[in-house]
Amino acid sequence: EPEVTQTPSHQVTQMGQEVILRCVPISNHLYFYWYRQILGQKVEFLVSFYNNEISEKSEIFDDQFSVERPDGSNFTLKIRSTKLEDSAMYFCASSVSLPTDTQYFGPGTRLTVL
Amino acid sequence: GESVGLHLPTLSVQEGDNSIINCAYSNSASDYFIWYKQESGKGPQFIIDIRSNMDKRQGQRVTVLLNKTVKHLSLQIAATQPGDSAVYFCAVTAGGKFQFGAGTQVVVTP
Repeated sequence: EPEVTQTPSHQVTQMGQEVILRCVPISNHLYFYWYRQILGQKVEFLVSFYNNEISEKSEIFDDQFSVERPDGSNFTLKIRSTKLEDSAMYFCASSVSLPTDTQYFGPGTRLTVL
Repeated sequence: GESVGLHLPTLSVQEGDNSIINCAYSNSASDYFIWYKQESGKGPQFIIDIRSNMDKRQGQRVTVLLNKTVKHLSLQIAATQPGDSAVYFCAVTAGGKFQFGAGTQVVVTP
């Protein structure tokens, strides 16, 4: 069964450093998403991406965040200058065409900012 | 602003019994609702969804009920099994931007 994959599974970085989290969505999906989940808290929507541009973004997704589809398979989330409060699980998801199609989540990347 | 809340943080249920997990939302324009299951260390897993033009939808051992009048959503799991132990949370959207509930931890006891 096709699945969303994410790398790395765990990323440790120093405050102020840039990180890039990588995702490979399911191959025939067209809508991509990033979510984050701070330990013990609810999942929070960050951004959705369709047709090579941001479709929706939340208040959390400020100028330090960016997303990119650098090739036909990868979908990345870049955090330009990490802060301690960016420590969280980051989940990538994809859906066939619409946000109201079933979204399939990846296993997540645990980001730890020291 | 929008809020999505769950009524109970932990639900302990005996194996074989039915489980009911509740979710309240505040945005009356919400038009699509999803229940997810999240096991420890894993990403959310889709269970069942419902659109605002329906009030009930059934899957395999799961039923979602939607009451738009009181802005309430519930997930019923029939004959709960040990493998159902997980955190369950609802997600609600109006126009594609999802908001998630905090989650209910379901603990299945033998």
